[in-house]
Amino acid sequence: DAKTTQPPSMDCAEGRAANLPCNHSTISGNEYVYWYRQIHSQGPQYIIHGLKNNETNEMASLIITEDRKSSTLILPHATLRDTAVYYCIVNAGGTSYGKLTFGQGTILTVHP
Amino acid sequence: SAVISQKPSRDICQRGTSLTIQCQVDSQVTMMFWYRQQPGQSLTLIATANQGSEATYESGFVIDKFPISRPNLTFSTLTVSNMSPEDSSIYLCSVLVAAKETQYFGPGTRLLVL
Repeated sequence: DAKTTQPPSMDCAEGRAANLPCNHSTISGNEYVYWYRQIHSQGPQYIIHGLKNNETNEMASLIITEDRKSSTLILPHATLRDTAVYYCIVNAGGTSYGKLTFGQGTILTVHP
Repeated sequence: SAVISQKPSRDICQRGTSLTIQCQVDSQVTMMFWYRQQPGQSLTLIATANQGSEATYESGFVIDKFPISRPNLTFSTLTVSNMSPEDSSIYLCSVLVAAKETQYFGPGTRLLVL
């Protein structure tokens, strides 16, 4: 699995957009970018994933650069409940799906 | 997504004893996984639970310490054997929903070994 690099921590004001970067410069052509978050020792929560096109769902948007070497998770209107550890993971999809390898993630703190 | 439950949600155990953790999912899934999260650390994959065959363990984890059962496509158990305080962790079950190419996680079992 390709490795990812994330900043260890970030702050965001409540109501503002939170933009969490992830570097995955060694990503392979069949590998997706997945984002999970973990709130205070609960089980990780799936947020979103994508291959090369930008993706949006009810939780967040995922912007992947054209060369696929980096991506940004966007929480459009952060709330205090979005305070969590955010993990960026690359993994093959389809029949090549492999195990998820979690790094240290980014601790996002949303403050009033 | 999949709805995953784990039992027990937490436990306090004495060293030398064993604990079996159950994982139940609300739909049939091909792949189930067990992870460990030690205090202040990220998640580490223990093994892939295979239905009808022996689990596939990651480096550093062995069947004698962490025996796993997977009797059907909706259920799995992980046993933590001969526990020591170093086994104090959160143990997490996850499943792969193939149609969504996404893994979903259970709420975890918080284990404290005294």
